Amino acid sequence: EPEVTQTPSHQVTQMGQEVILRCVPISNHLYFYWYRQILGQKVEFLVSFYNNEISEKSEIFDDQFSVERPDGSNFTLKIRSTKLEDSAMYFCASSVRHVNGANVLTFGAGSRLTVL
Amino acid sequence: AQSVTQLGSHVSVSEGALVLLRCNYSSSVPPYLFWYVQYPNQGLQLLLKYTSAATLVKGINGFEAEFKKSETSFHLTKPSAHMSDAAEYFCAVINEKLTFGTGTRLTIIP
Repeated sequence: EPEVTQTPSHQVTQMGQEVILRCVPISNHLYFYWYRQILGQKVEFLVSFYNNEISEKSEIFDDQFSVERPDGSNFTLKIRSTKLEDSAMYFCASSVRHVNGANVLTFGAGSRLTVL
Repeated sequence: AQSVTQLGSHVSVSEGALVLLRCNYSSSVPPYLFWYVQYPNQGLQLLLKYTSAATLVKGINGFEAEFKKSETSFHLTKPSAHMSDAAEYFCAVINEKLTFGTGTRLTIIP
C-alpha cells in the first residue's frame, strides 16, 4: 500500500540552528500538509500546499517556517532558527484532492525534533 | 467553525471489555468525521471515517463508530479490547483542514 515517508525519524539540534524535515508524499497525490504534535498535546495543523504554493497556513506557521517542493517527489519543511518550543513530532500528510469532501489524508510516521 | 471534543484524556479498560471512546462534534453543516489511531512511536493511522453514507461506520481492527446527529456524537467502540489496542486515539473533523481533538490515551489492563 502506498505510504508517505518522512526523514529523519528523529533529529536533535541546538537552538538557533536550521532544520529541514523531508517528506515523500504518495506519488499521485496533489495536496500536501504539515502537522505537528508537541508532546502531550493535540495534533495541530501547520500548512497546506498545492500547485507549488501555500494554500493555507495556521498562526503557528510564522516567518521561521517555510515549505518547498524542490523536485517532483520531495516536500520539505524548513525551520530557519529553531527554538526550544519547536520541539515536537512533525507529521507530513498528502491527499489526492483537497481535504474538503472527506478526502482522506495519509500521514507519514513523523519526524521527532528535539531542540536543546 | 467545526470542531471536535474528546471526553476523557485517559481511558483504561480490561482486556476483553468494551472500549468506548467519546467524541462530540460542533458543526453547522453535516460534518465529515474521522478516527485516527497513533500507536507508540508511530504515525497517525486512519481507523474509520464518516461521510454521511451510513451512520454506523466499521473500521479496521474491529472498531466501529456511530454518527448520532441528535447527540452530535461520533463515539468509537470495540466490543472486546485487546492488548494491542493500547494507543492514542484522535477524533477529527474536516472543514478547510483536518482538525483534531485532544486525543484519548487508551490503556488495556491485562
